[in-house]
Amino acid sequence: SQQGEEDPQALSIQEGENATMNCSYKTSINNLQWYRQNSGRGLVHLILIRSNEREKHSGRLRVTLDTSKKSSSLLITASRAADTASYFCATDKTGANSKLTFGKGITLSVRP
Amino acid sequence: DTEVTQTPKHLVMGMTNKKSLKCEQHMGHRAMYWYKQKAKKPPELMFVYSYEKLSINESVPSRFSPECPNSSLLNLHLHALQPEDSALYLCASRRLGISYNEQFFGPGTRLTVL
Repeated sequence: SQQGEEDPQALSIQEGENATMNCSYKTSINNLQWYRQNSGRGLVHLILIRSNEREKHSGRLRVTLDTSKKSSSLLITASRAADTASYFCATDKTGANSKLTFGKGITLSVRP
Repeated sequence: DTEVTQTPKHLVMGMTNKKSLKCEQHMGHRAMYWYKQKAKKPPELMFVYSYEKLSINESVPSRFSPECPNSSLLNLHLHALQPEDSALYLCASRRLGISYNEQFFGPGTRLTVL
């Protein structure tokens, strides 16, 4: 069953602009992760935020987590054409088994 | 070596065929996963192996049979599949331990069942 729900479902921006993607989930979690998938390829882990963290940065990525609202956001700053991909949030309830439940995904298009 | 490799990249099979998908990693990860992903959908977990033992089976039909012969290899044996089983099959691995939650994915096998 899917837990994460991202919005928007699709996002088109100009190169250099910032892209913000949101994810909501339903149950308590141990951590939330964001993955990127280029068309028809495997997923690449981007960033992980634990339930006791509120914000994390990694390069051009910033992720926030609000456990009271059961929501997370991923911000990609100064986007590039190479950022064009599908982005998934994935929730991990227990941590120990790391059983991920993926959201439906967001398709990001960055126009050169 | 920080890669998960999957073979074959593409597979076309008939409903009466038997085939196998292979996944390999040499990162010392002791958890390995099979996911199924339909077009424009998120990955859905099928099986999890921990220390080469099956720990999670997400009620997958018996025509899919996983096998973990050693800590580096994961196979998915396919028999009598249906056209609706056509999908991208992804393998992933993870280092075991509560601090290690990131999964490393292979590029997938694109399966078409005729």
